[in-house]
Amino acid sequence: GIQVEQSPPDLILQEGANSTLRCNFSDSVNNLQWFHQNPWGQLINLFYIPSGTKQNGRLSATTVATERYSLLYISSSQTTDSGVYFCAVVLTGGGNKLTFGTGTQLKVEL
Amino acid sequence: DGGITQSPKYLFRKEGQNVTLSCEQNLNHDAMYWYRQDPGQGLRLIYYSQIVNDFQKGDIAEGYSVSREKKESFPLTVTSAQKNPTAFYLCASSLVAGGRNIQYFGAGTRLSVL
Repeated sequence: GIQVEQSPPDLILQEGANSTLRCNFSDSVNNLQWFHQNPWGQLINLFYIPSGTKQNGRLSATTVATERYSLLYISSSQTTDSGVYFCAVVLTGGGNKLTFGTGTQLKVEL
Repeated sequence: DGGITQSPKYLFRKEGQNVTLSCEQNLNHDAMYWYRQDPGQGLRLIYYSQIVNDFQKGDIAEGYSVSREKKESFPLTVTSAQKNPTAFYLCASSLVAGGRNIQYFGAGTRLSVL
């Protein structure tokens, strides 16, 4: 099946710092989503981004489908950004089945 | 309030017992999904349903069962055959039309074995 790898697995930042999270996938996809899982377990949709670039406030994401990777940028990080960030993909021809990466655990400190 | 409601938040199962987790959505979404998350891990697909009265196994369906009698509801039963049921269970839904399968998630149910 498709492999989805995220890096780094863990990240500690000082408040105000910027960061880049990476998602690599092994096959062609037609759907890619980024999620933030907060400390209570709730999964929050950040981006639906099978290709191209999108921005939402301090967050932006870029997917280069032909090179099989996506990047999530967090600028001016805040303590509320802490949690786990997941990317999830749907294999082209794979129906609606999302395959999740193993996540990046982010901790933002004062 | 629009969204996906999972209940209960916490559930305890005794040895040999079946338990049912509830998932209801009022988003008029066609497809619904159940995922399992173990500590420090990503989500794994248990079952999904793209239309009423039809559902398919995901990657880890053994020991689980589902039904889809109504569009709004997709309950998951964790049977006694599931030997390691302690996990966080998440339900999701999505519109299928238009090729944009954006999945939205409920708040989850934490299941523990007594």
